[in-house]
Amino acid sequence: GENVEQHPSTLSVQEGDSAVIKCTYSDSASNYFPWYKQELGKRPQLIIDIRSNVGEKKDQRIAVTLNKTAKHFSLHITETQPEDSAVYFCAAEGGETGGFKTIFGAGTRLFVKA
Amino acid sequence: DTGVSQNPRHKITKRGQNVTFRCDPISEHNRLYWYRQTLGQGPEFLTYFQNEAQLEKSRLLSDRFSAERPKGSFSTLEIQRTEQGDSAMYLCASSPSDEQFFGPGTRLTVL
Repeated sequence: GENVEQHPSTLSVQEGDSAVIKCTYSDSASNYFPWYKQELGKRPQLIIDIRSNVGEKKDQRIAVTLNKTAKHFSLHITETQPEDSAVYFCAAEGGETGGFKTIFGAGTRLFVKA
Repeated sequence: DTGVSQNPRHKITKRGQNVTFRCDPISEHNRLYWYRQTLGQGPEFLTYFQNEAQLEKSRLLSDRFSAERPKGSFSTLEIQRTEQGDSAMYLCASSPSDEQFFGPGTRLTVL
């Protein structure tokens, strides 16, 4: 069945360093890959996304890369700040059915130490 | 508040009882999703609607779970004969195309 694996489960970095979170997906027909940030006690919010026809996308300090052949995608955060501390979820949408079913990874808890 | 709303925010019930949750999406969002989230895990897909049509339902979902979106606007999720394993946060999200906008969730506790 569909599956999205996310690593690492916990990541601790020093303020100003970069953080990288990696995800792999199983359904090769997936075509949309969003990343959501969830702060403690709050709802998930989209921070960046990428479609299957694009290899890389950047928005200020965050970037996402996609390797369709290997079925993996990564989130890169540069110049991390304490307010980046949160849980980050990757997701894969679409699939064999051609619909919009969305499978989330288990999440990465990011700690940015000041 | 024009965001996604969910009611109730908290529900405590006894094992074996039925519960129903409501989600009001952002106006004119065609897609509506239901997820279940437990501590330390990502949102687990339950089902989604395109307007009033329920297009997919998770294979993990037992027959005790049912969802409706009768007029393509608000949606309800019912759990029959609740079990302790049903205790979780139930999230609703709506989407006009790609980005999903999440509601605050309904926290269910089954005693």
